[in-house]
Amino acid sequence: EVQLQQSGAELGKPGTSVKLSCKVSGYNIRSTYMHWVNQRPGKGLEWIGRIDPANGNTIYAEKFKSKATLTADTSSNTAYMQLSQLKSDDTAIYFCAMIYDGYWFAYWGQGTLVTVSS
Amino acid sequence: DIVMTQGALPNPVPSGESASITCQSSKSLLHSNGKTYLNWYLQRPGQSPQLLIYWMSTRASGVSDRFSGSGSGTDFTLKISSVEAEDVGVYYCQQFLEYPLTFGSGTKLEIK
Repeated sequence: EVQLQQSGAELGKPGTSVKLSCKVSGYNIRSTYMHWVNQRPGKGLEWIGRIDPANGNTIYAEKFKSKATLTADTSSNTAYMQLSQLKSDDTAIYFCAMIYDGYWFAYWGQGTLVTVSS
Repeated sequence: DIVMTQGALPNPVPSGESASITCQSSKSLLHSNGKTYLNWYLQRPGQSPQLLIYWMSTRASGVSDRFSGSGSGTDFTLKISSVEAEDVGVYYCQQFLEYPLTFGSGTKLEIK
């Protein structure tokens, strides 16, 4: 059974960075792309970007190019997203999601709440 | 970027009635391979989204046959026949034709 386990809630001060993790079990992340999606309070889903863990290639939504950095560690089967220069507007739930056998998000993590507050 | 526009539902929907959710894309999602790169997800309250439909009309594994997807290259419909309490949540369409991937703004379903 494929499972995505995300790291716990984060409280970050404005101007600092946080690094979220998404550990995958039941599937080798080298064989897929790992995506990240956010959801601001009471709002909809917004795609941030994706990484190909096999080679580290990334694609970002334009608005997240200077905000998010995606990495992956194939030895631990874990994907990471670092959010830098935190602002109150970055307060959101961040989901990792994985494609499996097609062009859709077959599996999702449980989400990590990031709260930005001084 | 491809803009996805979703319609609203006349909430609440009486239990047992059908509900149709519309989604429109600013660009055709029909690929030259004949597949339409449109997905539907349901996000129940307090949960992560879950896949319902892919390739515009193919139900994901384990999804009730009360859910069906249809459409053309730019206009899509998710139909829920005989809505039940467990169908409550927000439904999102998503295009996977090109980057950046984009979602519709979501359609909330409430049951009476």
